[in-house]
Amino acid sequence: GAGVSQSPSNKVTEKGKDVELRCDPISGHTALYWYRQSLGQGLEFLIYFQGNSAPDKSGLPSDRFSAERTGGSVSTLTIQRTQQEDSAVYLCASSPRQGGTEAFFGQGTRLTVV
Amino acid sequence: DAKTTQPPSMDCAEGRAANLPCNHSTISGNEYVYWYRQIHSQGPQYIIHGLKNNETNEMASLIITEDRKSSTLILPHATLRDTAVYYCIVDTSWGKLQFGAGTQVVVTP
Repeated sequence: GAGVSQSPSNKVTEKGKDVELRCDPISGHTALYWYRQSLGQGLEFLIYFQGNSAPDKSGLPSDRFSAERTGGSVSTLTIQRTQQEDSAVYLCASSPRQGGTEAFFGQGTRLTVV
Repeated sequence: DAKTTQPPSMDCAEGRAANLPCNHSTISGNEYVYWYRQIHSQGPQYIIHGLKNNETNEMASLIITEDRKSSTLILPHATLRDTAVYYCIVDTSWGKLQFGAGTQVVVTP
């Protein structure tokens, strides 16, 4: 079966524009995570969806960032009015989340704001 | 607040065992110990996890102390492809997996 798929793989956008990043998790996985990783830095938690529970948005850096997960499957991370400091690799992961299980990561979307 | 403490870097000779330590002195009874690694320019990769007992899979072994305040990830025969940043994470089965700085492991010929 396919792993976690993210699109686009690369995105260059102008400062001030909105962008949408897509994540297709592994089928049946109830948990979905978004992280970002700036050049040479560690993984920064952004948001976590678990089943039908309210998402944990505690990592979103500003109100320009939002995410949705439709039908418990595909997720979209939206960044409004992009800034240069938003440039990073955005990583999505999904997990079955039953009794301590692994998360599977996509290859990420490299976002460059110019 | 970091839940785990790892050395920032370590070197290992190819073919030798790599022993990666992690301290998690404030771990709760329902928190697992997870290990992931990230090879340059790739997404993180799950390695292994455990609750109380030692665990082994095709990639590595995980040794958890009896008091659960520390653990060691063992790569039995390190290869050049094992060069990566290794992350130790403690979390519940429903937690959000917060990554710290990890240990940069460099395997040398």
